[in-house]
Order: sequence, then structure tokens, then C-alpha cells
Amino acid sequence: KNEVEQSPQNLTAQEGEFITINCSYSVGISALHWLQQHPGGGIVSLFMLSSGKKKHGRLIATINIQEKHSSLHITASHPRDSAVYICAVGLYNTDKLIFGTGTRLQVFP
Amino acid sequence: DVKVTQSSRYLVKRTGEKVFLECVQDMDHENMFWYRQDPGLGLRLIYFSYDVKMKEKGDIPEGYSVSREKKERFSLILESASTNQTSMYLCASSGAGTRLYEQYFGPGTRLTVT
Repeated sequence: KNEVEQSPQNLTAQEGEFITINCSYSVGISALHWLQQHPGGGIVSLFMLSSGKKKHGRLIATINIQEKHSSLHITASHPRDSAVYICAVGLYNTDKLIFGTGTRLQVFP
Repeated sequence: DVKVTQSSRYLVKRTGEKVFLECVQDMDHENMFWYRQDPGLGLRLIYFSYDVKMKEKGDIPEGYSVSREKKERFSLILESASTNQTSMYLCASSGAGTRLYEQYFGPGTRLTVT
């Protein structure tokens, strides 16, 4: 069983829809990261969370430490949001990350 | 602006060749990482380095070696490339001055071994 599980693996949406991507983990963590990877490969960090909720524009990330679960929400989705979204967790006392397998999102006009 | 660069975006090599992938960061970061990314498997850590000349094996080090002679540069070496090393290779760095454990990624090198 993977230590970081994401769902769904693939997601298609119409422009304007509300999107939710889920991440569950089974290890003790110092922080959880949401990353975005566009076609072509480059990865950018969207959020780093250790508790609660963060918001940046149309993106919202939440984490429930007790349940070991995080969600990434995209409000009013747009075709430019089409990308792979990756959840990663940072382990205690280490600089290493463990990655989920990613969620491929396609938003159609 | 933070920057991690990789020597090539696309690379095609023959089986048995020695392959060098270079990564350079301009943020004075202590930590540097090499990952490979394969469909359905996510990013997997090959090696990481927490200081010059220091290295530690990741989850899948077999068939790879690394070199870190200068703080800003971390090289991944495929001693004798094989077809199962065809993959996307991503370099990342992190260190003091960044948010705790945040990693900055390079653009990736798509390596094909024929």
C-alpha cells in the first residue's frame, strides 16, 4: 500500500465547475505539499500545509491532521488549470518527501 | 526568483552508454535531490545530497551514481544506460531560507534509452 494515496487518478470537468482532489497518507508528517505539473514537466509548489486551510486565488487547500487527509479545491475551474496535481508529504526530521501518483485534471471550455 | 536548471530537456542515448545529467541551483541550497517520474508510479527518489561531497541513497539507487563537488551542482550518472532507465528525471533543491522542506524543481530531462 502506498504511503500517500490520491484520488481520483483522472478528472475531467467543464469550465466553471468546482474541483476537489483528495490525498490520504499513512505516515507521520511535518507538512503536506500540493504541487502542480503542467505538460512539459516543470513542477511548481502550490501550497505547504501543516494545519488548517490555505487559500490562493481560486485554489484552496485543507488538511485534517487527525484523519491524515488533505483536499485541494479549485473554484470556477478554467482550461488553464489543466495539469497534474501532486500531493507530497514531508516526513518528520528529514528533508525528504514522499509523493502521491498524481491526479490528471482536464478542464474543457 | 529561485532557479533550478537541468542540462537538457530531451536526451536520447544508446544502451550501454554512460549518461550525465546535470542540475544547477542558484539559491545556495544545502539539499539537492534527483527523482525519476514514471506513469502510475509518481516521483521516486534516486539520490539526495545534503552537503558538498555528501550523498545518500534514495528509494531506487540501483544503476545510478551521483556527484556533488560544488554546492550549486548535483550530477546524476547512469554508468551503463539501459532501456528500463527511460524516464523523466527531475532535480530539486531545498535549504535554509526556504519554507521548511519546500523543494524547488527543475524543468526535467526526458531521457530515452534505445
